[in-house]
This record gives sequence, C-alpha cells and structure tokens, in this order.
Amino acid sequence: NAGVTQTPKFRILKIGQSMTLQCTQDMNHNYMYWYRQDPGMGLKLIYYSVGAGITDKGEVPNGYNVSRSTTEDFPLRLELAAPSQTSVYFCASSYSGLMGVYNEQFFGPGTRLTVL
Amino acid sequence: AQRVTQPEKLLSVFKGAPVELKCNYSYSGSPELFWYVQYSRQRLQLLLRHISRESIKGFTADLNKGETSFHLKKPFAQEEDSAMYYCALTQGGSEKLVFGKGTKLTVNP
Repeated sequence: NAGVTQTPKFRILKIGQSMTLQCTQDMNHNYMYWYRQDPGMGLKLIYYSVGAGITDKGEVPNGYNVSRSTTEDFPLRLELAAPSQTSVYFCASSYSGLMGVYNEQFFGPGTRLTVL
Repeated sequence: AQRVTQPEKLLSVFKGAPVELKCNYSYSGSPELFWYVQYSRQRLQLLLRHISRESIKGFTADLNKGETSFHLKKPFAQEEDSAMYYCALTQGGSEKLVFGKGTKLTVNP
C-alpha cells in the first residue's frame, strides 16, 4: 500500500494564480483531512471530510475549497493564491467506525507551496 | 477553545540522559491526548496516545488532568530519537486534531 500520496511535492505560484493540491489514499479510509503548517507553528486543520460527498470546515478554511467525489481522493483547491498561503500542506486520512473512538491519522509527505 | 502548548521549541540532550518533552493543554471537556513524531525525511506518525497507556520506543506519557499536562518522557535517550515531536488533542469521539507547535529534540552522541 502506498498509504497517503500527495502531489506536487513543491510548487511556486504567483499571486492570484489558482492550483489544486492532490491527495489520494488507498487504505479505504472514510475520513480525510487537509492541514497547513506555517514555519514554527503546529498543524492547523483547513477542511475535512467524513466520507464521499461530505466535507466540512476546519479552523482555517478561508481561501480554500475541497471536494470529495470518491473515497480515495480529496483535492484541495486554491482559487486566488495569496502570500499568506505560503505553507506546507499535509493531507491525512483515518478510519472511523466506532462512535467515541479516535483512530490514528495517517499523513502524506506534504506539499511545500510558495506564493510570490 | 482547545489549545495545546509545547513550551520548548528546541530541546537538546546527550545520549543516555533522561528526556522530557512538555505539553500542556486547555480544554473544558475530556480530551484525548496524543504524541505524533516526525523523523527526518519521514512522515508525521502517531507515537502514542494516552488511552492506550502503552510505552512505544521507550517513551511514556501520563495524562495529568489536575495540571492539564501530557508530558512525554524517556529515561535514556537514543540518537535515533532525534525528531520533531507534536502534542495533539481531540475531543472524545471527534476526529479533529488540535496540534501544538512542536518541539525539536536533538540527542547528541
């Protein structure tokens, strides 16, 4: 199993450009997440999804959009890139089957995005 | 609001010395606490969680609700323990994690 894969690994964008960060998992996990990590900071949740067709906002959703058309894929869209979106983006997934039981999140390798 | 504080950005110890990475949290309910670790050039991965009360790679962490702390300890540090360590919490039953800023541990030979 490849686990959680993310593409691209690195990207430089100009202000106002758009792009989609891809995330795929092959573990049949129902939950998927997008985090961003700014230098010297912890990870902050952008959006998450509890299953195909269902998404919800996290702590820092502004400037991003997501969709979840399949169990495997959870792309993150930046519509109008801004310098404040310069960060490392992590995708993660987990399986949640039992209410009240937290299950381990598996992380991708990250995408380093710079907006100039 | 839920918050996780890791007061040390950097921690350096010598091999064989005890190590303690501090984590304090603020949460009004009953949180679940975790330690995640990221070794050089590897992905972030779960190290341990408080509910399982287990020791992983010689590390243990005890949840102290009175002091709202979840410090990570190891009696004898090894060079391979060098990594970034993140404390995180979630509300019981929620899948949303709140992370601390992380502590970079360096174990010197």
